[in-house]
Amino acid sequence: QQQVKQSPQSLIVQKGGISIINCAYENTAFDYFPWYQQFPGKGPALLIAIRPDVSEKKEGRFTISFNKSAKQFSLHIMDSQPGDSATYFCAGKAAGNKLTFGGGTRVLVKP
Amino acid sequence: KAGVTQTPRYLIKTRGQQVTLSCSPISGHRSVSWYQQTPGQGLQFLFEYFSETQRNKGNFPGRFSGRQFSNSRSEMNVSTLELGDSALYLCASSLDSVNEKLFFGSGTQLSVL
Repeated sequence: QQQVKQSPQSLIVQKGGISIINCAYENTAFDYFPWYQQFPGKGPALLIAIRPDVSEKKEGRFTISFNKSAKQFSLHIMDSQPGDSATYFCAGKAAGNKLTFGGGTRVLVKP
Repeated sequence: KAGVTQTPRYLIKTRGQQVTLSCSPISGHRSVSWYQQTPGQGLQFLFEYFSETQRNKGNFPGRFSGRQFSNSRSEMNVSTLELGDSALYLCASSLDSVNEKLFFGSGTQLSVL
């Protein structure tokens, strides 16, 4: 059972544009929602995270929007740069440190 | 501060063999989790260890096992390898079992022939 659905699978954005990635979850026990960034040959790195009692969190060019009633959250990358080209994963955490990941979104930022 | 170290970086095995992967967490981190990453199934949780005790286990067969030592280093073992076990195996560490910030290593790429 895929508990976190992520879309789109891939997206291409021009430099300076906005990248938007959406996730939907089913498990209402999730209490922490991180986003990870992964470059080829590397492990995922924590980018930004949010708790369900907060509707929005911004860190630099990265913003998470969270809709608890709809069980959806999204990542916005403002002013996208070629260095942002990577695969992005959303996730939900319930018990302990067990993360349930979305399927990933490959982002390509064209110069 | 050194990051999460996983060894070996690459591994090639044949069906039926067994393999042991190693993970050294960030100094001071006591929780270690393992994940399997494949193009088809994505990132899937294998298990989590804290203070040498398995705290959580994912939906993987018993061929997948792990352990944690008193210095927080961890190993995972896969016995009777199958072609479908080919994957990137990622280790992540965190301060403890309730600190959500996971720091991942670069992984061990296992190929089963």
